Amino acid sequence: DTGVSQNPRHKITKRGQNVTFRCDPISEHNRLYWYRQTLGQGPEFLTYFQNEAQLEKSRLLSDRFSAERPKGSFSTLEIQRTEQGDSAMYLCASSTLRPGRGANYGYTFGSGTRLTVV
Amino acid sequence: QQQVKQSPQSLIVQKGGISIINCAYENTAFDYFPWYQQFPGKGPALLIAIRPDVSEKKEGRFTISFNKSAKQFSLHIMDSQPGDSATYFCAASNLFAGNQFYFGTGTSLTVIP
Repeated sequence: DTGVSQNPRHKITKRGQNVTFRCDPISEHNRLYWYRQTLGQGPEFLTYFQNEAQLEKSRLLSDRFSAERPKGSFSTLEIQRTEQGDSAMYLCASSTLRPGRGANYGYTFGSGTRLTVV
Repeated sequence: QQQVKQSPQSLIVQKGGISIINCAYENTAFDYFPWYQQFPGKGPALLIAIRPDVSEKKEGRFTISFNKSAKQFSLHIMDSQPGDSATYFCAASNLFAGNQFYFGTGTSLTVIP
């Protein structure tokens, strides 16, 4: 399977607990993104990496959220002291560095990790 | 503030009909406009995309129409099929000045056999 892989697919946690999600991007993709999607909404940008460098973070990414991509390959997203408002689908995506002329360019998304905070 | 506004929220079309989804944006710096298709339990998948130097792009049954002066773009699905039933998202980005896509709120399409 050469797609973007996310684990776990589902996570139920109690409020206040810490959770960590993992994303394995397409191997030749330099860029890796984290998005959050709530019911009935489009994905919202959280952060992105180019290789191992985290280059941009959204204001949505509070201090409780941290993301890493230690060797420029897989990435982890950790949420500390989870709150009920953190319940959402967390999507990882990857892409190449530059779009090709004439070709469709865009992210390849994983199937996401659905987080439920009870 | 929603960077990309999408309508309608839901759409029901008969098999064989044309599905039309519309999006509008304000930021004139956007230079890339993809459409994504999402099935339940799956991540969004890239369907088709357009740059503002062309007014239309067609791939199979899917066509994007782009109106730069009106800052609007739309997805047309010709000969809609039940398998097209999914949620569709438009998005916009300034590919070389930024790295995030701004997504619309989605359109739930149901194609009735």
